[in-house]
Amino acid sequence: QKEVEQNSGPLSVPEGAIASLNCTYSDRGSQSFFWYRQYSGKSPELIMSIYSNGDKEDGRFTAQLNKASQYVSLLIRDSQPSDSATYLCAVKTNAGKSTFGDGTTLTVKP
Amino acid sequence: NAGVMQNPRHLVRRRGQEARLRCSPMKGHSHVYWYRQLPEEGLKFMVYLQKENIIDESGMPKERFSAEFPKEGPSILRIQQVVRGDSAAYFCASSPPSGGNTEAFFGQGTRLTVV
Repeated sequence: QKEVEQNSGPLSVPEGAIASLNCTYSDRGSQSFFWYRQYSGKSPELIMSIYSNGDKEDGRFTAQLNKASQYVSLLIRDSQPSDSATYLCAVKTNAGKSTFGDGTTLTVKP
Repeated sequence: NAGVMQNPRHLVRRRGQEARLRCSPMKGHSHVYWYRQLPEEGLKFMVYLQKENIIDESGMPKERFSAEFPKEGPSILRIQQVVRGDSAAYFCASSPPSGGNTEAFFGQGTRLTVV
């Protein structure tokens, strides 16, 4: 079992729709959870961080965390073509090591 | 406030040569992480360092790869006797010294090509 698993892509949604990206993790000791966006040929860019159960909203992005289910998700509302990228889920333990999922590639079609 | 600086951005090496990749963390950051990304694949953890200490090197290949983060100067990822399979993007990230509950920010990466 991978330490961090993301739903297999690619994911394609029409412009204006909600994109839902999911991630599960295996280490119950994980404390910090991050979503990064990576455009092709570029480095990952942090877009959301979440540390406690529940929802965290930032503009069109909402991160959801459920530690009991070891599940974290990212919702993108009113998806735009510029949101087309690979989204990486990262899980960090208190020891400091961050483990990434393989990423989900999102395409938003105009 | 400069971000994480990596150099060189692109590096070409012939098989058997050595590659040295440098990473200067953000100001105030003392934790550095190195990741490798093969073409069309995800980020793979290599090593986690603090100043003068290797904290976790569980992702480092056993041979030819080494990393350091000296008291002064950048972190260095060193690959000896490179092979074609080492061709990848190598990303460095840094975070502040406040434990696990902190975000890491990435540099622009070094694209290594072995010919």
